[in-house]
Amino acid sequence: NAGVTQTPKFRILKIGQSMTLQCAQDMNHNYMYWYRQDPGMGLKLIYYSVGAGITDKGEVPNGYNVSRSTTEDFPLRLELAAPSQTSVYFCASSRSSGETQYFGPGTRLLVL
Amino acid sequence: RKEVEQDPGPFNVPEGATVAFNCTYSNSASQSFFWYRQDCRKEPKLLMSVYSSGNEDGRFTAQLNRASQYISLLIRDSKLSDSATYLCVVNGRGGSYIPTFGRGTSLIVHP
Repeated sequence: NAGVTQTPKFRILKIGQSMTLQCAQDMNHNYMYWYRQDPGMGLKLIYYSVGAGITDKGEVPNGYNVSRSTTEDFPLRLELAAPSQTSVYFCASSRSSGETQYFGPGTRLLVL
Repeated sequence: RKEVEQDPGPFNVPEGATVAFNCTYSNSASQSFFWYRQDCRKEPKLLMSVYSSGNEDGRFTAQLNRASQYISLLIRDSKLSDSATYLCVVNGRGGSYIPTFGRGTSLIVHP
């Protein structure tokens, strides 16, 4: 069981570039989440999904897009990267709402 | 008032000390509560769930006070390895049980 995996671990982007952060889980969890964490701050929810084909916005969705075509995968797309998107991005999953979340190791993104 | 508030600290304590953190939440409809631990530059990991009756896991005790809308975490006999950031998580915003994280409380245990 790999749990929640994320790729890449680290990426540097130039302003205006695009990229996709990958997230996969092998626990057959229905719920998946994307968070960003800025230095010294808590986690802010970007998007979440309650099952394949269903996604919804969190607190800070602007500048991001997601899709959920399978139970296992939940990629996060950044279009037109901006310096304000420099952060650590964590993907998480849970069996259902209100249950324990399991996190991936994170992707560190630097936008210059 | 923020949805979930924690004192960021840092709490600087000697080994063997007892330390307590509180976390307040604003949504009285919140249904589930957790404490996560996050080490520097790592992902958060579940420390313990918080039940209405309170629960204990070794040196760690979690309590929920619904009337005053806060949860607490008590760590007894602190170890150097307890140094980390402790994140409070509250589920139940908007009735959808989407989790909200506090910004975390930093604990430093020194020899």
